[in-house]
Amino acid sequence: GDSVTQMEGPVTLSEEAFLTINCTYTATGYPSLFWYVQYPGEGLQLLLKATKADDKGSNKGFEATYRKETTSFHLEKGSVQVSDSAVYFCALMMDSNYQLIWGAGTKLIIKP
Amino acid sequence: DTGVSQDPRHKITKRGQNVTFRCDPISEHNRLYWYRQTLGQGPEFLTYFQNEAQLEKSRLLSDRFSAERPKGSFSTLEIQRTEQGDSAMYLCASSLTSGRSVEQFFGPGTRLTVL
Repeated sequence: GDSVTQMEGPVTLSEEAFLTINCTYTATGYPSLFWYVQYPGEGLQLLLKATKADDKGSNKGFEATYRKETTSFHLEKGSVQVSDSAVYFCALMMDSNYQLIWGAGTKLIIKP
Repeated sequence: DTGVSQDPRHKITKRGQNVTFRCDPISEHNRLYWYRQTLGQGPEFLTYFQNEAQLEKSRLLSDRFSAERPKGSFSTLEIQRTEQGDSAMYLCASSLTSGRSVEQFFGPGTRLTVL
């Protein structure tokens, strides 16, 4: 079945470091891809999304490009801040059923 | 509108008891979803509604689980004869049916602990 695999955490970085969180997917069709973020004590929030191959989603300095050839949607940010500390979830959605299929989440810790 | 709300935020119950959770979606949203999330894992889909119709149920949703959305507004999720394995965060989300990759807006969740 369809699935999402993302790198295990926690990922610990210093402020202003470059961030990459890897995400790969398996799907029978052409899904839409999402990154959600969960800040401590808060609910899940959509960070960015991409609906077709080569699309780039971006928000708050984060970017991810839908790579069909490698079935990947890696999350990147050029310079992280302490306030970026959170759990990041990669997810996919098939048009056929609108349910989100999630990765296990990657906890990001940014140290000042 | 302040977003998706869920009640209660926390529920502690004894094994074998029944529990019911409520979700109030964003008012104009016609789709409503339930997910379950255990510690260290991503959410798992349970079921979703379009208006009052329950369109899909995961095989995770055993006979002890039932969800309703009367009148297409709020939804309830009931778990009968709770088991310790039911301990998890239960998440509700809502969305509009419009185009591809609609954004789902999540509530804060109800954390269930079964003793």
